[in-house]
Amino acid sequence: NAGVTQTPKFRVLKTGQSMTLLCAQDMNHEYMYWYRQDPGMGLRLIHYSVGEGTTAKGEVPDGYNVSRLKKQNFLLGLESAAPSQTSVYFCASSEVADNNEQFFGPGTRLTVL
Amino acid sequence: ELKVEQNPLFLSMQEGKNYTIYCNYSTTSDRLYWYRQDPGKSLESLFVLLSNGAVKQEGRLMASLDTKARLSTLHITAAVHDLSATYFCAVDIKVVLIFGTGTRLQVFP
Repeated sequence: NAGVTQTPKFRVLKTGQSMTLLCAQDMNHEYMYWYRQDPGMGLRLIHYSVGEGTTAKGEVPDGYNVSRLKKQNFLLGLESAAPSQTSVYFCASSEVADNNEQFFGPGTRLTVL
Repeated sequence: ELKVEQNPLFLSMQEGKNYTIYCNYSTTSDRLYWYRQDPGKSLESLFVLLSNGAVKQEGRLMASLDTKARLSTLHITAAVHDLSATYFCAVDIKVVLIFGTGTRLQVFP
């Protein structure tokens, strides 16, 4: 099993450009999450999904959109990138049978110039 | 507003010494997780604590949970260099986790 994978690993955008980050998991997990990690601020939840076709806002959703068309995939979109979105983005998934232990992908390092 | 506070934020300790990292949270929860992150890497699950009084141990690390005090501890015994990393606690609020800001641990000879 590959676990949780993310593409791309690195990306540089110019202000105003758009892009989509892809997260895929092969563990048949119901729940999926997108976080951003900035220095000194831990992880902050952007959006999450509790199942195929569902999405919900987290702590910092502004400027991002998500979609969960297939159970194994969770996409994070930036419609018009801003320098404040420079960050490392992590995707995670959990089974939520007995608990919400989340398994993380390797991360995407995004720089917006 | 829910807060998850870790202290210390930075910890520099000598090999062989013991130390404890604290995680305090401000809301009711009986589930808490500890993660480790190496520089430039992703988060790795260390411990899953699912009830008051839960204690888990793995090697030189031991985690405990006191839900009444809203406190979890991560105790390091006889530290070694390989434990150098950033450690996060995360509080389970039903569907989502709220992460602490992390404790950066550096172990030196």
